[in-house]
Parts: sequence; C-alpha cells; structure tokens
Amino acid sequence: NAGVTQTPKFQVLKTGQSMTLQCAQDMNHNSMYWYRQDPGMGLRLIYYSASEGTTDKGEVPNGYNVSRLNKREFSLRLESAAPSQTSVYFCASTITPSGRYGYTFGSGTRLTVV
Amino acid sequence: GQQLNQSPQSMFIQEGEDVSMNCTSSSIFNTWLWYKQDPGEGPVLLIALYKAGELTSNGRLTAQFGITRKDSFLNISASIPSDVGIYFCAGSSSGGSYIPTFGRGTSLIVHP
Repeated sequence: NAGVTQTPKFQVLKTGQSMTLQCAQDMNHNSMYWYRQDPGMGLRLIYYSASEGTTDKGEVPNGYNVSRLNKREFSLRLESAAPSQTSVYFCASTITPSGRYGYTFGSGTRLTVV
Repeated sequence: GQQLNQSPQSMFIQEGEDVSMNCTSSSIFNTWLWYKQDPGEGPVLLIALYKAGELTSNGRLTAQFGITRKDSFLNISASIPSDVGIYFCAGSSSGGSYIPTFGRGTSLIVHP
C-alpha cells in the first residue's frame, strides 16, 4: 500500500547509544517531517525538509540530526540517546511545503531509552 | 510563534451522544486540518478546510473554518465505540515558514 513507512516499529536503547530511525514515502511528496509525541504534549516538530536537499530545525531539535537522503527517504539520528528522548516518533510527508493538502503519517517508532 | 489551543483536552461520553471540540489560534490560518489518531497508529486526515466559513462533512463528522480564520470546530454526531482516539487540529498559512502547527489533541472515550 502507498504511504509512509517507518522502521523500526519498536526500539529499546541504553543511555548513550546511537541509532537511526528510517522513513520512506512512495507518494512523490516533496516535504517530509519528523515529530515526537509525548503524553499530553501533542505532536512536536523535530526537523523538517521542505524539499529534497534542504533540512531545517523544528521546535525541539536538540539531540537529533536528520538526513534527506533522496526525495523518498528522510532519516532521524540520535547520536547519544538520553532517557528524555523516550517517545513515539512519527514521520510525515506532504506534496507541497504549505501543507495545504494534508500530511500523511507513518505508524510510528516507539523508542524507550533506559 | 504560532500557538494552537485545542479543547477540551479529553471527553468521556456515552455511545450515541454528539461531540464538539474546537481549536483557536493566535494567528490567521489559510488551511485547517483535522486528524484522528487510533491507539497505536499514526494520525489520519479526516477533513481539510480552505475558506473562512467553510463547512465540510465526512460521514458523521462535520468541521467548520471559523469566519475570523483563527478558529475551527469539529463535531461528531451519534458517536460509536470506534470513534475512540485522539483528534488533532492543525493549521497552516501559506505566507509563513511552512511549519504546520498542531493542537495538543482531544482524547475521546466512548462508553458503550
């Protein structure tokens, strides 16, 4: 099925470990986003890529890096995981940077840092 | 930056009741979007609104783009157990930085 695919779905890390969350979309969307969702906090934007070749910080970028590998793929890297990064991470994409036509979300990566 | 206030934060209702929730913004938006997130899944787009005053339905769901362009409303009629989930509003303005702004969500629980 067309959409946004995130891997892995679940991950447990020890404090200080690193990992990369993968995201790929097959809808030929131009813009891609990484969000984290914590109870009662809604969706907070970590980084986004308005178009291939560009990336920008969102609301909560500290502790994260991103790579827009090509038009389809946008990865999120945690260099040294901390317990405060325990969260559910969502990747999303949309056809135009304005978001006028809505965002398609992946099913999420549930990350626990111990 | 832009802020969205979504209310209520949570609702506990009986099956068959109608539901109303809303979002208000400190800024004018050109687009309002409403999403539903089922437990353990990502949000899914329900309704998109593009003009002030616009009223759009999707089955038992109806959403409105406020005439001030700073608010939006979502109503669910005759709720059923599968309506359970978190409902998010989101707004964007084409003249801005293209960062979508999401509300914190309304958690809906429907008792059979």
